[in-house]
Amino acid sequence: RKEVEQDPGPFNVPEGATVAFNCTYSNSASQSFFWYRQDCRKEPKLLMSVYSSGNEDGRFTAQLNRASQYISLLIRDSKLSDSATYLCVVNKTDVSGGGADGLTFGKGTHLIIQP
Amino acid sequence: EAGVAQSPRYKIIEKRQSVAFWCNPISGHATLYWYQQILGQGPKLLIQFQNNGVVDDSQLPKDRFSAERLKGVDSTLKIQPAKLEDSAVYLCASSSFRDRGLIGELFFGEGSRLTVL
Repeated sequence: RKEVEQDPGPFNVPEGATVAFNCTYSNSASQSFFWYRQDCRKEPKLLMSVYSSGNEDGRFTAQLNRASQYISLLIRDSKLSDSATYLCVVNKTDVSGGGADGLTFGKGTHLIIQP
Repeated sequence: EAGVAQSPRYKIIEKRQSVAFWCNPISGHATLYWYQQILGQGPKLLIQFQNNGVVDDSQLPKDRFSAERLKGVDSTLKIQPAKLEDSAVYLCASSSFRDRGLIGELFFGEGSRLTVL
């Protein structure tokens, strides 16, 4: 099983639609979870962190299911400007504070919002 | 606040040549990362520094890649000799927070795009 696995898409959805992305991760000891957004030929930028209780930021909702090792991102009322690649990100496993804990990125899900 | 600075933005070399990339993280950020992003893939961690010490270089191809962060601030990543498969964007990122498995936001530079012919 890959460390972080995402459906690459592309997802083509009409403006105003709701779209959901899923992501699975392999290491049950991971503690930090994020969604990053990457525009074409640009660097990744943090979209939102993902918490166990679920969290919402405007039109975006993120959920974490630790038992299933599954993360989701929901975008409501999609806008043309939401077109981008969405990267699921999970940290590595050494939680001692002195060990390796860099972030592992999925391949990304490409979203295209159509007018 | 100034962001993460990287140079050069673009570099074209022939295989077997060498290349070096430079990164200046956000002031005060102790943790610095180098990622490699091949077209169509997510960023892959090459090396992670905490101040001037290496935390993780498990995915760095050490026969050809090297990186240093001598004074705990700037960092350089070198490839020698380059191969065709090294064509990618090399992203530097820094973070201010890292504690017992909890990681803060990563701030990325614009990247250095390498083409190996």
